[in-house]
Amino acid sequence: DQQVKQNSPSLSVQEGRISILNCDYTNSMFDYFLWYKKYPAEGPTFLISISSIKDKNEDGRFTVFLNKSAKHLSLHIVPSQPGDSAVYFCAALPSNSGYALNFGKGTSLLVTP
Amino acid sequence: DVKVTQSSRYLVKRTGEKVFLECVQDMDHENMFWYRQDPGLGLRLIYFSYDVKMKEKGDIPEGYSVSREKKERFSLILESASTNQTSMYLCASSPSGNPYNEQFFGPGTRLTVL
Repeated sequence: DQQVKQNSPSLSVQEGRISILNCDYTNSMFDYFLWYKKYPAEGPTFLISISSIKDKNEDGRFTVFLNKSAKHLSLHIVPSQPGDSAVYFCAALPSNSGYALNFGKGTSLLVTP
Repeated sequence: DVKVTQSSRYLVKRTGEKVFLECVQDMDHENMFWYRQDPGLGLRLIYFSYDVKMKEKGDIPEGYSVSREKKERFSLILESASTNQTSMYLCASSPSGNPYNEQFFGPGTRLTVL
């Protein structure tokens, strides 16, 4: 059963606008969350993370928000650029299971000029 | 610069063949992982290893085995390839000590089983 869910398979945003990618999770043992970005024919690369003790983490144009009570996190990209067009994976790590990440299915973001 | 390399970018094999996918990392990481990525399913963990000769099953280990004889190398073995193992295979590594360390991924091997 999928414990990390990205319910939007795709998203299209105009250049300069905000992109918001959403992720929901079901396992209350998850205490660390990561976003990975993947271009075609390349491996995923780490983008940004957040610990469950925080509700926001910001890195340049990228901000991740965590709402623990709703078991929801979101990635905001402002302003969006055409080079941000990629598949974005949300991943979660439980506090009791070492190193194995649980990934969502991914959201394909297209930023149009 | 951190690097995870995979032996092949594209591979075509026939049903029933034994297939080896090789992964090498040059970062002296203790942890190594094999995932497969399928459309609409995201990344699913097949096996991981936290030390030489150590391995743990992931979510979908059936039909696969792994080998870690040296710290830098982690091999995924398909004992008898089947068409439902056609997929993109991704290897990753991470340092030990802190499970919150990011995983570094290789470029992937797209395997087609005919």
